[in-house]
Amino acid sequence: NAGVTQTPKFQVLKTGQSMTLQCAQDMNHEYMSWYRQDPGMGLRLIHYSVGAGITDQGEVPNGYNVSRSTTEDFPLRLLSAAPSQTSVYFCASALISGTYEQYFGPGTRLTVT
Amino acid sequence: DAKTTQPTSMDCAEGRAANLPCNHSTISGNEYVYWYRQIHSQGPQYIIHGLKNNETNEMASLIITEDRKSSTLILPHATLRDTAVYYCIVRIQTGANNLFFGTGTRLTVIP
Repeated sequence: NAGVTQTPKFQVLKTGQSMTLQCAQDMNHEYMSWYRQDPGMGLRLIHYSVGAGITDQGEVPNGYNVSRSTTEDFPLRLLSAAPSQTSVYFCASALISGTYEQYFGPGTRLTVT
Repeated sequence: DAKTTQPTSMDCAEGRAANLPCNHSTISGNEYVYWYRQIHSQGPQYIIHGLKNNETNEMASLIITEDRKSSTLILPHATLRDTAVYYCIVRIQTGANNLFFGTGTRLTVIP
């Protein structure tokens, strides 16, 4: 059981470039989400999904797109990277019912120059 | 979701109990109290949650006051590995399951 995996671990982009952050889970969790964490701050929700084909915006969705074609994968796309998107990105997953414990991935550290 | 207030930082001697307070005076009747921690830039880790009764698991105990306006997370015998940022989060248990993190309490366990 790998839990929640994220790739890449580190990424440097130039302003205007696009990229996709990958997130996968093997626990058959319905709920998946993306958070960003800026230095000295708590995590802020970007987008989330409660099942395949269903996505919704969180607190800070601008500049990011998501899709959920399978239960296992929830990629986060940056269409045109900006320096303000320099952050650490965490993916999380959880069951819809039960304890609602969220499992977090190890994070992707993104720098936009 | 109700807002929470936590001290910015705390120290605890190794082997002693660490008591981390959280104020959630605007909590509503169907909101649960959750605790997560984040060790040195890793992904947050779930610790415990409760509604109104005190809860205990292998990691910690959660004490919620009778009026539910505050709670305390207790790590009974703190170790150096417990040095982390601890987040108190109040939320309804719905299908969306979103968490709203504040800045948490930075706990430093001192040898």
